[in-house]
This record gives sequence, structure tokens and C-alpha cells, in this order.
Amino acid sequence: DGGITQSPKYLFRKEGQNVTLSCEQNLNHDAMYWYRQDPGQGLRLIYYSQIVNDFQKGDIAEGYSVSREKKESFPLTVTSAQKNPTAFYLCASAERGAKNIQYFGAGTRLSVL
Amino acid sequence: RKEVEQDPGPFNVPEGATVAFNCTYSNSASQSFFWYRQDCRKEPKLLMSVYSSGNEDGRFTAQLNRASQYISLLIRDSKLSDSATYLCVVNTNTGNQFYFGTGTSLTVIP
Repeated sequence: DGGITQSPKYLFRKEGQNVTLSCEQNLNHDAMYWYRQDPGQGLRLIYYSQIVNDFQKGDIAEGYSVSREKKESFPLTVTSAQKNPTAFYLCASAERGAKNIQYFGAGTRLSVL
Repeated sequence: RKEVEQDPGPFNVPEGATVAFNCTYSNSASQSFFWYRQDCRKEPKLLMSVYSSGNEDGRFTAQLNRASQYISLLIRDSKLSDSATYLCVVNTNTGNQFYFGTGTSLTVIP
């Protein structure tokens, strides 16, 4: 089955802890993205990557880090520097070029204990 | 100014009604346009791409007006299952970034 897999579905973070959200895709897409969605709000871009070993900050990158060591994988770490991490995190991927379409994983809900 | 703006609604319409949503974008260099549907606590899913000539998929019609920089979505004969949030998405293709509107909430009432 082709698609984007995010894990875990639910995650709880303790104060001062770093946590890592997994995102894997088997669509052979070059570009991958991480978004954050707060209740009743739109998607905000955290980081994106156009190609392996390269990534760019989005609008709200502070307190987050990513890596892109493999084309299929784009993990997001929520660091202790992110003081308000409770949100719905969505990973997406897309082909490059015109008429490209973005596909989403099922998301990870992160809460603070 | 936001890249993409939508009326958040909510739109509450009876079954069978026709409803239209509009979305404006600020970057005239934008190349690709989409409508996504997001159900409560779920991920967004592509509803339809929007082409310059306009396109239709069953009860759904999408149109693009490049001169006025807006995109529209028309839903005819609304069903209860159409209740969701509809997101307008724009891509400039330079840097391959996607810009999302905040979404328009639709509730179809029996």
C-alpha cells in the first residue's frame, strides 16, 4: 500500500523532554513537509525538505529540528525549547514540479504531561 | 498580508442546498491551486486540483480567476457527508512551498 505513515498516533511529552515524530513515505516523492495545526486553526509550516540531506526552515521552526538522511524518511524532533508543543502534527510529501499534489499522513497528536 | 485567505464560516446549509466558498491568494506568481477536505481530527485529503479552465467532479466545481487572484469551490446538492472543513491551497512552485488557508467550515443540516 503506497502512502505516508506517521507514528505514533498519540504522544505525550514530559517537561524538558525531547520527542521524535516519525514520518515515512513510499511514494518516491522528493519533497517532504512538517506542519503543525492548533485547534480551529490552519496548517503552519515547521520545516520542509526538497531533497535528501537538505531542509529549510518554515514559518515556525523554533524549538524543532529535522533530518533527511533517506528519501523515504523525515523525522521531526520536538525539543524542550518548544514551550507550547501541544498540537496536531502532520507530515506530507509531494512530487516536484508543476501540478504537484501534496499527500498527508494521518498525523500525530502531541500532548504535554 | 496572508498568502491565502478564506472566509472561516461556519456555513450551515440544509441538505440539497448549493454552497460556494471563495479563497484569495496574494502571490501572482502562484502556479498550482487545490481544494482539500479535512474532517474533524483527521488529515487533509485532496478534493480536487483547480485548473485555469475550471473543472468539475460530480457535484463539485472549482474555478480559478487569475486576474482577481481568487479560487472558488461550488458544491451542489449538499449531502450530510459533505460536512467538513475545506482548505484552499496554493503553490508557487518556486521552492515548492504550499500555502494553506485557515479553512472554511461547512455543516450540512438534515
